[in-house]
Amino acid sequence: GDSVTQTEGLVTVTEGLPVKLNCTYQTTYLTIAFFWYVQYLNEAPQVLLRSSTDNKRTEHQGFHATLHKSSSSFHLQKSSAQLSDSALYYCALKDTGGLSGKLTFGEGTQVTVIS
Amino acid sequence: GPKVLQIPSHQIIDMGQMVTLNCDPVSNHLYFYWYKQILGQQMEFLVNFYNGKVMEKSKLFKDQFSVERPDGSYFTLKIQPTALEDSAVYFCASSLKLDYAEQFFGPGTRLTVL
Repeated sequence: GDSVTQTEGLVTVTEGLPVKLNCTYQTTYLTIAFFWYVQYLNEAPQVLLRSSTDNKRTEHQGFHATLHKSSSSFHLQKSSAQLSDSALYYCALKDTGGLSGKLTFGEGTQVTVIS
Repeated sequence: GPKVLQIPSHQIIDMGQMVTLNCDPVSNHLYFYWYKQILGQQMEFLVNFYNGKVMEKSKLFKDQFSVERPDGSYFTLKIQPTALEDSAVYFCASSLKLDYAEQFFGPGTRLTVL
């Protein structure tokens, strides 16, 4: 079946330093899109980034990610972490050719930014 | 941005009872979803709903589960009867389209079955 893997469950980073969250996937879908969702404490998950184009960098709020179909990856990066970036981050895969619109989520990475 | 509301935020019930989880989706959205997240695990797709019908459901969507959205009111997930393994956080989501459109999520309802 289809799956998304986030290898880090917990990441602690010092404010001002770079952070990278890994996301890899396996899928049989022919047309796909990827999302990074961020969930702050006691809030709803919200989209941070999305992409469906191979090898094209997408950016939002200082974060960036590039879909690489050759390596089945959609890693999330930020050059300078901020205290406000502390949250739970989910990578998600979507079949854009089917009828369900189903998102397949990774396990999530809890990011804590320390001063 | 657009908000999805979920009521209640927490629900504790005894095994075998019925429970209804309510979702108030984004007003002009057409597609509605439920996801289930057991503690410590990833969020998993349960079902999606469009134009009054279930479009697709996963293996997690047991016979005891049902969804509806009567007359454009709340989008509901009903579990009857509940089982211990139904304890989880249930997230509702909605979207305007299916393809590349963003799904907007609610904050979840934490269901505890005793």
